[in-house]
Amino acid sequence: SQTIHQWPATLVQPVGSPLSLECTVEGTSNPNLYWYRQAAGRGLQLLFYSVGIGQISSEVPQNLSASRPQDRQFILSSKKLLLSDSGFYLCAFLSGGIQETQYFGPGTRLLVL
Amino acid sequence: RKEVEQDPGPFNVPEGATVAFNCTYSNSASQSFFWYRQDCRKEPKLLMSVYSSGNEDGRFTAQLNRASQYISLLIRDSKLSDSATYLCVVKPSGTYKYIFGTGTRLKVLA
Repeated sequence: SQTIHQWPATLVQPVGSPLSLECTVEGTSNPNLYWYRQAAGRGLQLLFYSVGIGQISSEVPQNLSASRPQDRQFILSSKKLLLSDSGFYLCAFLSGGIQETQYFGPGTRLLVL
Repeated sequence: RKEVEQDPGPFNVPEGATVAFNCTYSNSASQSFFWYRQDCRKEPKLLMSVYSSGNEDGRFTAQLNRASQYISLLIRDSKLSDSATYLCVVKPSGTYKYIFGTGTRLKVLA
């Protein structure tokens, strides 16, 4: 079966510090992968998506970046965090089938102080 | 105009009530439609896909109206455990992107 993992579950970081969040998928090959952010009380904002190794599409200008070093690994990074980077970061993969569906990892709750 | 719009609620309903949510979308080329459920501080989970002919899964019924560009979710015989935020999701054709609404909050009261 297909599963998706994210870590860490929670993170408290000072402003200006670097960030690395990891997402891995099992049970599928060459999945489309997505990073979203959900600010408190807000909707999901698409940050990045990837259709293959080394291929990244960015949706909004920001101080975040993403990389896909392996087929089932998706990493979200920042060199210097801002207060506004606080939020709930969700990774998702696309399941195949007649109506392709996104499935989400458990998320990382990031608080930048 | 937002690509996907939902009434944020909250909808406060007693147990056993029937409740309906609507969601409107702006892109007429939208291809796929979904309802997700999100519990507090948790990830969204797929509730059901929405098919052109409408579909039902137990107490939940989803409808699509392409002419008016909205989808709906009907919950019958509401349970306390139905309390959550319901997210409407639309995927336009020719894109890998999924557009999420901001969600409708439901509280089922004992």
